[in-house]
Amino acid sequence: KNEVEQSPQNLTAQEGEFITINCSYSVGISALHWLQQHPGGGIVSLFMLSSGKKKHGRLIATINIQEKHSSLHITASHPRDSAVYICAVLGGSQGNLIFGKGTKLSVKP
Amino acid sequence: GAGVSQSPRYKVAKRGQDVALRCDPISGHVSLFWYQQALGQGPEFLTYFQNEAQLDKSGLPSDRFFAERPEGSVSTLKIQRTQQEDSAVYLCASSLAGGGANIQYFGAGTRLSVL
Repeated sequence: KNEVEQSPQNLTAQEGEFITINCSYSVGISALHWLQQHPGGGIVSLFMLSSGKKKHGRLIATINIQEKHSSLHITASHPRDSAVYICAVLGGSQGNLIFGKGTKLSVKP
Repeated sequence: GAGVSQSPRYKVAKRGQDVALRCDPISGHVSLFWYQQALGQGPEFLTYFQNEAQLDKSGLPSDRFFAERPEGSVSTLKIQRTQQEDSAVYLCASSLAGGGANIQYFGAGTRLSVL
């Protein structure tokens, strides 16, 4: 069993739809990251959170430590949001990350 | 520089060839990570440096993989006698502080294809 599991694996949405991507993890963590990866490989950190909720523009990330679950929400989705969204948790005290396999999001105009 | 820079962006190697991948982290960043991302998978941890010290190399898949960061800034990941299964994107990330929960800044990666 993977330590970090994401769902769905693939997601197609129409422009304007509200999108939710889920992440469950089996290890104890101090922080969880949401990252965005565009074609060509570039990875951008969206959020790092250890409790509660964070919001940045149209993106909202929540985490429930007791349930070992996090969600990434995108409001009013746009085709430029199309990317792979990856959930990652800290693998140890050094800071190395354990990644989920990613959710490939495609937003159609 | 403004961000983490990796070179080359693409590398094609013949099986058995040695390759060297370079990472220039953000200036002043203490921590540097190497990850390997196979096609369709999430990245997997290879090794971690705090300044020039390699504190964790538990993710290196074999003794053909070697990483160094001799002056605590630029890092090189070397793969000897490349095999087809080494084909992947190699990502470098740096963060300002050592250990703990810090934002990691990623380079664009080096896509290695071993023929």
